[in-house]
Amino acid sequence: DTAVSQTPKYLVTQMGNDKSIKCEQNLGHDTMYWYKQDSKKFLKIMFSYNNKELIINETVPNRFSPKSPDKAHLNLHINSLELGDSAVYFCASSKTGAEQYFGPGTRLTVT
Amino acid sequence: GENVEQHPSTLSVQEGDSAVIKCTYSDSASNYFPWYKQELGKGPQLIIDIRSNVGEKKDQRIAVTLNKTAKHFSLHITETQPEDSAVYFCAASNVWGYGGSQGNLIFGKGTKLSVKP
Repeated sequence: DTAVSQTPKYLVTQMGNDKSIKCEQNLGHDTMYWYKQDSKKFLKIMFSYNNKELIINETVPNRFSPKSPDKAHLNLHINSLELGDSAVYFCASSKTGAEQYFGPGTRLTVT
Repeated sequence: GENVEQHPSTLSVQEGDSAVIKCTYSDSASNYFPWYKQELGKGPQLIIDIRSNVGEKKDQRIAVTLNKTAKHFSLHITETQPEDSAVYFCAASNVWGYGGSQGNLIFGKGTKLSVKP
């Protein structure tokens, strides 16, 4: 069974559209994260979230918003997509805040 | 905030040789240092980690060392094999401290390791 899963794996859309990426973890972890990996492979934290607190990286535009329907899911909503949003987005989860387990990624292409 | 520098950006070795990747960090509050391996088209996979109260940790062919005074840590892979070829990332985090950024991994820019048969 996949520990951290994301859908879709590929997402191609036009500028100005709104899209969502779903993430689910079956590890029973309390904290989930979203990371962005750019074309140069640089990984950067976007959000961390547990049932008590959402921590937003200050550089993330407010067009990005995480939504957690329950402890096992943390979805990423993106409004008014821009060309610069093209990247691979990874969801991760952790029980302790230390060992983080990553999903397979969603490659977003904005045309 | 934390800043992690990683070197080299690319590393090519012959099968059976050793590979060493080095990272430095800036925030003395960081207390957790994981290493991730990312294969093409996949998510980063945790391969080994070290906490700030430990100087060295080994798991079969891989080992990590930490020098808190100098604020640097290194990944050592011995007896490299072609399947070790991937991009390796170091990261630093303040997991057990205080502050709003607990647990957020700050990554280095990655090292592309190529192991030639």
